[in-house]
Amino acid sequence: DGGITQSPKYLFRKEGQNVTLSCEQNLNHDAMYWYRQDPGQGLRLIYYSQIVNDFQKGDIAEGYSVSREKKESFPLTVTSAQKNPTAFYLCASRIFETGYRGELFFGEGSRLTVL
Amino acid sequence: AQKITQTQPGMFVQEKEAVTLDCTYDTSDPSYGLFWYKQPSSGEMIFLIYQGSYDQQNATEGRYSLNFQKARKSANLVISASQLGDSAMYFCAMREGTGGGADGLTFGKGTHLIIQP
Repeated sequence: DGGITQSPKYLFRKEGQNVTLSCEQNLNHDAMYWYRQDPGQGLRLIYYSQIVNDFQKGDIAEGYSVSREKKESFPLTVTSAQKNPTAFYLCASRIFETGYRGELFFGEGSRLTVL
Repeated sequence: AQKITQTQPGMFVQEKEAVTLDCTYDTSDPSYGLFWYKQPSSGEMIFLIYQGSYDQQNATEGRYSLNFQKARKSANLVISASQLGDSAMYFCAMREGTGGGADGLTFGKGTHLIIQP
């Protein structure tokens, strides 16, 4: 079955540590996204990537970094510079095609807790 | 200014009743798309329904329909004959433009719907 796999599902981190969240898709989608979800805040866009080796900052990119070395993979690193990293992180992808409705397909999310 | 506004943080509805979840949006782009997603307690985001700005008819998908009022910039989700399994967070989202850009969707803050037996 095609889909998006995020790992780990739960992650605990000490303050000052970097952590990398994995996102892999086998949908052959060009565009991939990372969102952050906080209670009562909805989803906010961190980074997105349209093609391999290219990515763009979203609304809340500070303290995060990404890479896109393969079409299938879009890992997110939460750095020690992120002041409030405890949140639920969602990875998504979509078909990139003019005129297509463009709904996002989501992974099951990774819940990061900073101790 | 918020681009997507969902004014109902939480709703309680009796099973089998119809539910309307409100969503208003703000954009100056004549071409846009509106989406509704369901998020159960497990956390996954499930796509429910889509409405394009140029679509003449309101979108429907099974028990879900979208009440699209373009002049009022509203895109309310209607769930007919609600079921216990409909209990979840519901998010309204918007894509600005024709879909040719890779920009992500903008989401509202969500409505927590609880269906009571």
